[in-house]
Amino acid sequence: KNQVEQSPQSLIILEGKNCTLQCNYTVSPFSNLRWYKQDTGRGPVSLTIMTFSENTKSNGRYTATLDADTKQSSLHITASQLSDSASYICVVSDRGSTLGRLYFGRGTQLTVWP
Amino acid sequence: EADIYQTPRYLVIGTGKKITLECSQTMGHDKMYWYQQDPGMELHLIHYSYGVNSTEKGDLSSESTVSRIRTEHFPLTLESARPSHTSQYLCASSGTGVRADTQYFGPGTRLTVL
Repeated sequence: KNQVEQSPQSLIILEGKNCTLQCNYTVSPFSNLRWYKQDTGRGPVSLTIMTFSENTKSNGRYTATLDADTKQSSLHITASQLSDSASYICVVSDRGSTLGRLYFGRGTQLTVWP
Repeated sequence: EADIYQTPRYLVIGTGKKITLECSQTMGHDKMYWYQQDPGMELHLIHYSYGVNSTEKGDLSSESTVSRIRTEHFPLTLESARPSHTSQYLCASSGTGVRADTQYFGPGTRLTVL
């Protein structure tokens, strides 16, 4: 069964600290993996996208890694800011259909305290 | 910022009412999607469309219906709302090309059925 599991479920850190969020998946065949940021009451916004051949991708203070062999990804946030408080969702796409089926994790709820 | 819009943002209605959630995008995307998301849970695909006059049911069974008469417009209708329909509904769209399966999300409609 194709699944995406994220950990931790929630995380609280102090402003300025770094943190790392984890994503494990069993989706096959694999096309790409995205990290989305979803602010409360808003739709998800794409942060990074990685294909099979890419093992790291940065977007400002966000750095995503991918290990396609172990089917694991991480999202590292550097020097956190209050505006980083949001849910971070790992999304994996398969290449088994024309639609490009997306599999969503439940997200990690990050709270940054001042 | 993606050019995809949803109205209303919030809706509180009584049981048995007919409602239509609006979704419009100005990016000329062929593919559009409706997701349902409960708090702390993953997004579930309930409807999608490949283009005008194309609609398909998603993975999660839903009593809602959709239509796609124009490329930019993908409304979702509930003929008789029930408390079990209380949820957040997210609309998304995707285009063609290298990032064909990158989905851009609207802000969502939070529906509460009393």
